[in-house]
Amino acid sequence: NAGVTQTPKFQVLKTGQSMTLQCAQDMNHEYMSWYRQDPGMGLRLIHYSVGAGITDQGEVPNGYNVSRSTTEDFPLRLLSAAPSQTSVYFCASSGQGGFTEAFFGQGTRLTVV
Amino acid sequence: AQSVTQLGSHVSVSEGALVLLRCNYSSSVPPYLFWYVQYPNQGLQLLLKYTSAATLVKGINGFEAEFKKSETSFHLTKPSAHMSDAAEYFCAVSDNDYKLSFGAGTTVTVRA
Repeated sequence: NAGVTQTPKFQVLKTGQSMTLQCAQDMNHEYMSWYRQDPGMGLRLIHYSVGAGITDQGEVPNGYNVSRSTTEDFPLRLLSAAPSQTSVYFCASSGQGGFTEAFFGQGTRLTVV
Repeated sequence: AQSVTQLGSHVSVSEGALVLLRCNYSSSVPPYLFWYVQYPNQGLQLLLKYTSAATLVKGINGFEAEFKKSETSFHLTKPSAHMSDAAEYFCAVSDNDYKLSFGAGTTVTVRA
């Protein structure tokens, strides 16, 4: 039972490059989300999805795109990487209801130089 | 809109001593409250959650938290710290809309 799988685990990009962070879950969860974690700031919501074909912006969406073509996958795209996007990125999924547990991937550590 | 404040970015305790991590929240509706733990180079995992069934909530690894509506608090405690408790702890709040708002986190170190 894999849970939430993120790839890659580490990535170095040059300013201006684009890339896609992959996220897949095998728990048939409707809700998926992307967070970034920065020191002293906790986790901040980038984008989220409440089901296939439905996405919305979170607290810090600028510079990122998402799509949700299947229940299982929720990729995060960086359009033109900037040093300010250096961070650790986490994907999470959860079942219905605000009271349900969120399951997190292992994270992707991204450095933009 | 919800927000979470965790008092103290770092807490250092001796092995066997009480662990107390403080969390205060603001929410316009009765919230769901969570504590998550993050071990080095790993994702977050749920310690415990409050969903209005009981104000004292017991979680994994001997942790518990008490919901106090009058104080808008959800502090996390463990009577006796173990070396394996060294980690970062996050308090989070959710309305009934799936989205979690996290506090800044508290790093716990345990001294032998």
